[in-house]
Amino acid sequence: DIQMTQSPSSLSASVGDRVTITCRASQSISNYLNWYQQKPGKAPKLLIYAASSLQSGVPSRFSGSGSGTDFTLTISSLQPEDFATYYCQQSNSVPRTFGQGTKVEIK
Amino acid sequence: QVQLQESGPRLVKPSETLSLTCTVSGGSISGYYWTWIRQPPGKGLEWIGFIYYSGSTDYNPSLKSRVTISVDTSKNQFSLRLTSVTAADTAVYYCARDPGRGGDFDYWGQGTLVTVSS
Repeated sequence: DIQMTQSPSSLSASVGDRVTITCRASQSISNYLNWYQQKPGKAPKLLIYAASSLQSGVPSRFSGSGSGTDFTLTISSLQPEDFATYYCQQSNSVPRTFGQGTKVEIK
Repeated sequence: QVQLQESGPRLVKPSETLSLTCTVSGGSISGYYWTWIRQPPGKGLEWIGFIYYSGSTDYNPSLKSRVTISVDTSKNQFSLRLTSVTAADTAVYYCARDPGRGGDFDYWGQGTLVTVSS
């Protein structure tokens, strides 16, 4: 199985801050990397697919980059509704695997 | 707008079989991959497996001996069966759609908490 490691596990930030979350794969996954946002009691929501493609309806302050083993999710200006947990997921091979999550909290 | 809705028993006894159904509305089940994912309380996400609308499947090796996913295109539904459950199978179970462009999940059900307890 491909292991996905996110960092940090949690972070505190203020509204308006630029936030970057990192995801590292245990082996190369090309650009088969997806990002999700999950709020308490809700299903995950797809933000970014194929490492850098913005899902329809997702605000442009979210962006993704990377290829191979190292990827980043960036929120350019954190908004109150962005406080949530973020997960990366690899889709290069089966079984699909997720990172452990990064919780973004209010500073 | 595509919507997914999980249904099935919320409480299952140890050693018995967990059965859930996902009903797809607002779009056809044909042409896509359909996935089950679970999340134990307070923990991360675990991919269980998927089924293509034609019936081909793939499962997480960690669960493969106990999992069956099936599809009923006439009802626009797909289902999960997990046998010999233990407390470790207590989780929120989500169904989701893989649009087939690279393995992401673009539509999700709201999730249903299934508790394994006697």
